[in-house]
Amino acid sequence: ETGVTQTPRHLVMGMTNKKSLKCEQHLGHNAMYWYKQSAKKPLELMFVYNFKEQTENNSVPSRFSPECPNSSHLFLHLHTLQPEDSALYLCASSQVGGGTGELFFGEGSRLTVL
Amino acid sequence: TQLLEQSPQFLSIQEGENLTVYCNSSSVFSSLQWYRQEPGEGPVLLVTVVTGGEVKKLKRLTFQFGDARKDSSLHITAAQTGDTGLYLCWQGGKLIFGQGTELSVKP
Repeated sequence: ETGVTQTPRHLVMGMTNKKSLKCEQHLGHNAMYWYKQSAKKPLELMFVYNFKEQTENNSVPSRFSPECPNSSHLFLHLHTLQPEDSALYLCASSQVGGGTGELFFGEGSRLTVL
Repeated sequence: TQLLEQSPQFLSIQEGENLTVYCNSSSVFSSLQWYRQEPGEGPVLLVTVVTGGEVKKLKRLTFQFGDARKDSSLHITAAQTGDTGLYLCWQGGKLIFGQGTELSVKP
């Protein structure tokens, strides 16, 4: 399997649930990203990991908790979310963080919070 | 906060027409990338521009980077229905995307 894989593709959860989104990349990249894509809004950077170290946290509420156990895997743990958190969550990877390197995206996890 | 302003936000045209999409900032870009996103998929890289005044062509798509590296444009010649999608500019230095231009090309 190649590229960036995200699971699940769709998730419906209540405001009191705990769930996790998973991202896996098979490209040998060292940087991984979480972006949030809502209707009518630009893609919002959430977190960046470079060589497993978090290098960006774009003022994301603590109900979103990232985890990067190794360079190939990235998780987004979700806890007591709000309906306004419903969005498409996109994971991406690149050789290194930022710069001119190409971002490779997964297909996204569509989250609905009831 | 540095913003990338894209215009127009929505564009609906007939097949065969030409169009231009713009990406602007008040700050200088170190480099800029253009991505296209189709429904149900993640964005895919179209081009990276690095040098002020640079022009790159990708079949019917022409990308320009402004001389001062504060703006960029994407021009599509003779648009096809397959060009439909969300076009995004991305600034690698700040890791930020523009708001996107949603293009719809009708047969």
